[in-house]
Amino acid sequence: QVTLKESGPALVKPTQTLTLACTFSGFSLSTTAESVGWIRQSPGKALEWLALIYGDDDKRYRQSLQSRLTISKDTAKDQVVLTMTNFGPEDIATYYCVHSRSGSGFHYWGQGTLVTVSS
Amino acid sequence: YVLTQPPSVSVAPGQTARMTCVGDNLKGYSVHWYQQKAGQAPVVVMYYDADRPSGIPERFSGSNSEDTATLTITRVEPADEADYYCQVYEGSGDHVVFGGGTKLTVL
Repeated sequence: QVTLKESGPALVKPTQTLTLACTFSGFSLSTTAESVGWIRQSPGKALEWLALIYGDDDKRYRQSLQSRLTISKDTAKDQVVLTMTNFGPEDIATYYCVHSRSGSGFHYWGQGTLVTVSS
Repeated sequence: YVLTQPPSVSVAPGQTARMTCVGDNLKGYSVHWYQQKAGQAPVVVMYYDADRPSGIPERFSGSNSEDTATLTITRVEPADEADYYCQVYEGSGDHVVFGGGTKLTVL
């Protein structure tokens, strides 16, 4: 049974760095077939893929945000971390952690965590 | 790479809903479909064009031909009302691409 759970701040000050963690279970992120990623959804908007990391540590990023994103994994902790620098109003969204196996799409999603900007 | 979906589709209960996803030479990609009900995380309802995950009713089917992939829902029920997104993995550019989503309204 695969489960994923996001954790991180609900409020981020403008220009600060957002750090989100995804703690997962039910699989090992240690083979090329396995991947964990992040997808966000601004209120009332479409899904927007952000980043993906494979078990062999191959990392992929959304081109338009690549300079602001870093994804990493801690296999021992079964955790994936996403950092986003220079957080701003345009980044207000629900951030989902997702799992994919062998490129079959994202069969498992976390519950999502809403991140907003604090004044 | 861009995937284009119609913003909305409306059908009466019991009818057939067809939601399209258009991309250049889309047949060369595997298309995955997600259903997102209001306030919930998305759920995959079709993968590898036409494979249905366990727990998804047989009323859901998928196809992919030329530039268009289609998610078809027969005998539509009120519970099918949701946003539907198509998605592919791409070798260049953005590794993962989503369509803009289609809102299915059951009249």
